Amino acid sequence: GEDVEQSLFLSVREGDSSVINCTYTDSSSTYLYWYKQEPGAGLQLLTYIFSNMDMKQDQRLTVLLNKKDKHLSLRIADTQTGDSAIYFCAESGTDSGAGSYQLTFGKGTKLSVIP
Amino acid sequence: DAGVTQSPTHLIKTRGQQVTLRCSPKSGHDTVSWYQQALGQGPQFIFQYYEEEERQRGNFPDRFSGHQFPNYSSELNVNALLLGDSALYLCASSTGTGFYGYTFGSGTRLTVV
Repeated sequence: GEDVEQSLFLSVREGDSSVINCTYTDSSSTYLYWYKQEPGAGLQLLTYIFSNMDMKQDQRLTVLLNKKDKHLSLRIADTQTGDSAIYFCAESGTDSGAGSYQLTFGKGTKLSVIP
Repeated sequence: DAGVTQSPTHLIKTRGQQVTLRCSPKSGHDTVSWYQQALGQGPQFIFQYYEEEERQRGNFPDRFSGHQFPNYSSELNVNALLLGDSALYLCASSTGTGFYGYTFGSGTRLTVV
């Protein structure tokens, strides 16, 4: 079955760049996502990338996809204390015949930003 | 514009009881998915509803059931509650396939004692 792996913790200093890594096993993954979860809150979609792309940039966020190695990363430039949260990598693939796209999540990476 | 609304925010139930959780999708969204997030884990897919029918289901027992209403809102029902059902239950809405990502609610925290 599908599996998504992430490192559990990352600590960076304010102003530095953060890089959160993720690996996935499902070669049919069509879309890959990064979600952010703050304490006591739901999940906020940060960005997504299609499997036929290798990079996507959105303001301070850069997503890199290595489809051959099934590796996804999220780089946050100029990390701020407000970026402290849990970041989830998620993938979706096509469920043939059903036409729906469930998300499979990793366990999340807790990012701590040191002032 | 209201996003995804879930109720209640917190709930305490006794083992063996039944519970109903509610979700109103974001305006313009017609698809509702439910996820269970245990403490320290990523969300796990329970099922997805579209056009008032269950379109896809994850690896959850039949004790978990749902419904979608004509106005696209949805309910999640869990029967015969177990201690292991304690979790944050998240509702996510999208249009159609959800290619461009799902909008999540803040969740219902269910505690089974």
